[in-house]
This record gives sequence, C-alpha cells and structure tokens, in this order.
Amino acid sequence: DGGITQSPKYLFRKEGQNVTLSCEQNLNHDAMYWYRQDPGQGLRLIYYSQIVNDFQKGDIAEGYSVSREKKESFPLTVTSAQKNPTAFYLCASSELHQSYNSPLHFGNGTRLTVT
Amino acid sequence: AQSVSQHNHHVILSEAASLELGCNYSYGGTVNLFWYVQYPGQHLQLLLKYFSGDPLVKGIKGFEAEFIKSKFSFNLRKPSVQWSDTAEYFCAVKSGGSYIPTFGRGTSLIVHP
Repeated sequence: DGGITQSPKYLFRKEGQNVTLSCEQNLNHDAMYWYRQDPGQGLRLIYYSQIVNDFQKGDIAEGYSVSREKKESFPLTVTSAQKNPTAFYLCASSELHQSYNSPLHFGNGTRLTVT
Repeated sequence: AQSVSQHNHHVILSEAASLELGCNYSYGGTVNLFWYVQYPGQHLQLLLKYFSGDPLVKGIKGFEAEFIKSKFSFNLRKPSVQWSDTAEYFCAVKSGGSYIPTFGRGTSLIVHP
C-alpha cells in the first residue's frame, strides 16, 4: 500500500538537543510538507518542498531545518533554537504540485516532547 | 493573505442529530476548498473537496458541503451523525494562485451514543 511513513511515533528529548523527524513517502509525489499541530491552533506550515534539493519556508520556519535529497524523503530537524518544540508534527505530500485541486496525503504524525 | 475561520471549536451531539460545521475564508477570488477529518489515533484524511461545478459536493461517510461564493463559506453537513463520526474536522482553502492550503483551527466533534 502506498502512503507516508513518519517515525518515530513518539519522541522525547532534553532541552538543548537537536532532533530529526523522519518522513518517507512511496506515492511518487512531487511536493512534501511539514506541519505543526497544536491544540486549538490547527495546522501551521513549517516547510515545504516542490522538488528534490529545493525547499521553502512556511509560516513558522524559525528553529527548524529540512532537507530534500531524495524525492521520497523529507526529514525535519527541530533545533535547540526552536523556543517551544513540544508539539505534534505532521508530514504530508501531494501530487502535481502545481495542481490546485490535489489534496494532501498525511502521515500518522510524530509527537515530540521536549523537557 | 488567506485566512480560514472555523467558528465551532467544540461540538457535542447525540447520535442521529444533524451536523453543520462552519467554514469561512477571507480571499474573494478563485478558491479550491477541502474538508479533512482526523479520527482518534488515525492520520488526517480527505473528506471531500470542491474546485468547480456543482457547489454541493458529497464526500465519504454521508458528509456533504456547500460552497456559497457570496458568503465565502464552505460548511460541512451530515443529516444524522453516528458515534464513529467523533473526530477533529479541518477546513482548508487554496487560493490566490498558491497550491499551499491554509487550514482552519479545526473543530472537535464528539458524538455520544
């Protein structure tokens, strides 16, 4: 079955440590996205990528970094500069990245807790 | 910039009650509209979408939504909810030539059996 795999499901880190969240898709989609979901705030866009080796900042990119070395992979690093990193992180992908009616396909998410 | 408002943050219903969740957006041009659902412990998935044609669109599990351009709205409806509809519902809008959707804050629906 095609889909998006995020790992791990739960992640615990100490403050001051960088942490990388994995996102892999086998849908052959061009575009990939990272969202942060906080209670009552919906989904906020962190970074997105249209093609390999290219990515753009979203609305809340500060304290995060990404890479897109392969079409199927879009890892997100939460750095120590992110002031409030504890959250639920969602990875998504879509086909035909310039098609305005193509929906997003989401992974199951990673819940990150930083103490 | 586009903004999306979901006015009902928490909705509690009994089974068989009718449901309507509001979604309003700010940009007045051409829009593509989506409703996504997140069941407990599951990933976000598409419920339905509108991009052209009949403004009344039907989705999975008996849901439908009506695009009213003059009201900048895309409300989600279901005539009779079930316990299994308990989930979080998100409205999303693509507009202004951008393929990046803007999401609303979500509505948490709890259906009591």
